[in-house]
Amino acid sequence: GAGVSQSPSNKVTEKGKDVELRCDPISGHTALYWYRQSLGQGLEFLIYFQGNSAPDKSGLPSDRFSAERTGGSVSTLTIQRTQQEDSAVYLCATGRYQETQYFGPGTRLLVL
Amino acid sequence: AQSVTQPDIHITVSEGASLELRCNYSYGATPYLFWYVQSPGQGLQLLLKYFSGDTLVQGIKGFEAEFKRSQSSFNLRKPSVHWSDAAEYFCAVGANGNKLVFGAGTILRVKS
Repeated sequence: GAGVSQSPSNKVTEKGKDVELRCDPISGHTALYWYRQSLGQGLEFLIYFQGNSAPDKSGLPSDRFSAERTGGSVSTLTIQRTQQEDSAVYLCATGRYQETQYFGPGTRLLVL
Repeated sequence: AQSVTQPDIHITVSEGASLELRCNYSYGATPYLFWYVQSPGQGLQLLLKYFSGDTLVQGIKGFEAEFKRSQSSFNLRKPSVHWSDAAEYFCAVGANGNKLVFGAGTILRVKS
């Protein structure tokens, strides 16, 4: 596709459930980033994938958060045992190495 | 550590008036600098970027920004604001691996 796509666009879940968020990058973009946007914390970096290198996980807030990128393309962000403070918009961005990042529309997660 | 300060949380301007949104950054090396815009319920759209070279950069929608190393600033300007420019604007600096550190954002309201 022409841009970064994310699914689902909205997700409502109950506290304690696991959720998976998906990001489809722009074709040819080797770098993929996850960010979180919340009212209290603004926009925060979560994790970064570059090609076949080990991901930079330095922004993940707890071990309940994990992400993978299969075949250097699609990425999935998984949140286990969701908490209410996980409610936020999760944004994926992709780009070429050390160049401009292009953002998807985000997944709005609400944990009840 | 890298940081970005956007001192104005809200700005209101009249349609047709000029606009300047302030951004100051802290970064130990030559920064990659970005301005993104976000409309309600949407993802982030890139307005412009600075990597090197000419310190005055032109972007989309008639926006420009000037990099001033001595002031650690990257202010966004537009000579004549349109009602459709009402949105939230984020300044960001590219840190290690080019993961972005964002400012808190400035919400722009346009009066008709």
